[in-house]
Amino acid sequence: QKEVEQDPGPLSVPEGAIVSLNCTYSNSAFQYFMWYRQYSRKGPELLMYTYSSGNKEDGRFTAQVDKSSKYISLFIRDSQPSDSATYLCAMSEDNAGNMLTFGGGTRLMVKP
Amino acid sequence: DAGITQSPRYKITETGRQVTLMCHQTWSHSYMFWYRQDLGHGLRLIYYSAAADITDKGEVPDGYVVSRSKTENFPLTLESATRSQTSVYFCASSGQLNTEAFFGQGTRLTVV
Repeated sequence: QKEVEQDPGPLSVPEGAIVSLNCTYSNSAFQYFMWYRQYSRKGPELLMYTYSSGNKEDGRFTAQVDKSSKYISLFIRDSQPSDSATYLCAMSEDNAGNMLTFGGGTRLMVKP
Repeated sequence: DAGITQSPRYKITETGRQVTLMCHQTWSHSYMFWYRQDLGHGLRLIYYSAAADITDKGEVPDGYVVSRSKTENFPLTLESATRSQTSVYFCASSGQLNTEAFFGQGTRLTVV
């Protein structure tokens, strides 16, 4: 079993839909949770960053962490074709900048 | 240009050849990382470095060598390339107390 599990998709939604992306993990020591967005043939870029449990909102994006269930989510409201990308969750035990553990990524397609 | 750059962007090499992938960052970040990205495995850490002359193994280090004589450079060498090392390689960097990792554009390596 992988340390971080993520449905690979692809997930196809119509423009304007609410998108829910999820990851589960097994390491209870993870405290820092991130979502990266990766466009085709590009490097990943940080989208959301959350410490411990709770919600964080940034524009159309909301990140949720439920440490008791070892489950994190990324919600995208009013999805746009420009949101079409692969979304990677990542986690770490500390904030020292090292040892991120990534999920395999979910490919999202938003159709006009 | 500011940021993190990888070279070459694309490389085809033969089995058994030595090949070096270059990574350069202009932020003076302490941490630098090499990941490989493969379908079904997501991003896997090969090696990382906490500072110049300090390197450590990640999840999949076999067959790879790194060095870090200068803070800004972190080359990755495949000593004797194998077909299983065909992958997309990403270099990343992060600050001392910041979990956000900034990624390069990637090097697509094919071993034939």
